[in-house]
Amino acid sequence: DVKVTQSSRYLVKRTGEKVFLECVQDMDHENMFWYRQDPGLGLRLIYFSYDVKMKEKGDIPEGYSVSREKKERFSLILESASTNQTSMYLCASSPSGAGTFGEQYFGPGTRLTVT
Amino acid sequence: AQTVTQSQPEMSVQEAETVTLSCTYDTSENNYYLFWYKQPPSRQMILVIRQEAYKQQNATENRFSVNFQKAAKSFSLKISDSQLGDTAMYFCAFMKYGGSQGNLIFGKGTKLSVKP
Repeated sequence: DVKVTQSSRYLVKRTGEKVFLECVQDMDHENMFWYRQDPGLGLRLIYFSYDVKMKEKGDIPEGYSVSREKKERFSLILESASTNQTSMYLCASSPSGAGTFGEQYFGPGTRLTVT
Repeated sequence: AQTVTQSQPEMSVQEAETVTLSCTYDTSENNYYLFWYKQPPSRQMILVIRQEAYKQQNATENRFSVNFQKAAKSFSLKISDSQLGDTAMYFCAFMKYGGSQGNLIFGKGTKLSVKP
């Protein structure tokens, strides 16, 4: 089974702190994603990466950056946390290939609270 | 731009009954994929079922089946013989064929409660 793990289930940070969210997948997937999930808004893509050191902005990249130095690991960075970044953050990975388009494997999520 | 609409924020069903979750989408594309994802409480989101737009036959996975109406741009999920473990948020999602892997567009979700 594909396993996607996230470094923390719950995280509390103060406004202005630099925050790192880590995600690791063990299935050698090329693609990795960071989403933000808010009630009534569904999932919104922050960034995704299709290869090591490669990234593309999603729908809501402002205030976030990402890093992918190794294929299995994709980090989300909040440069200066703000209260409006309080949310559930979901990491996902997916293989490439026409037969697997859209099949993403999700981690358990990190619930981040910024106070 | 593509959009996905789930018009039922919450639904409930009695155990062992059948329930249908609605999803409509808007696109000018002819080739695309549609998905239903399930997010149980405090558990990871998983893919339930996938449909390729070029296939006329509706996809099925055990108790889960879809009613894909391409002309109407409708993609509903039917859950038969509902079980308590089906309680979850359900998200409908769209991806155009050949597009970027980052272009999986989710609806806002339907919260399904299965009652004993």
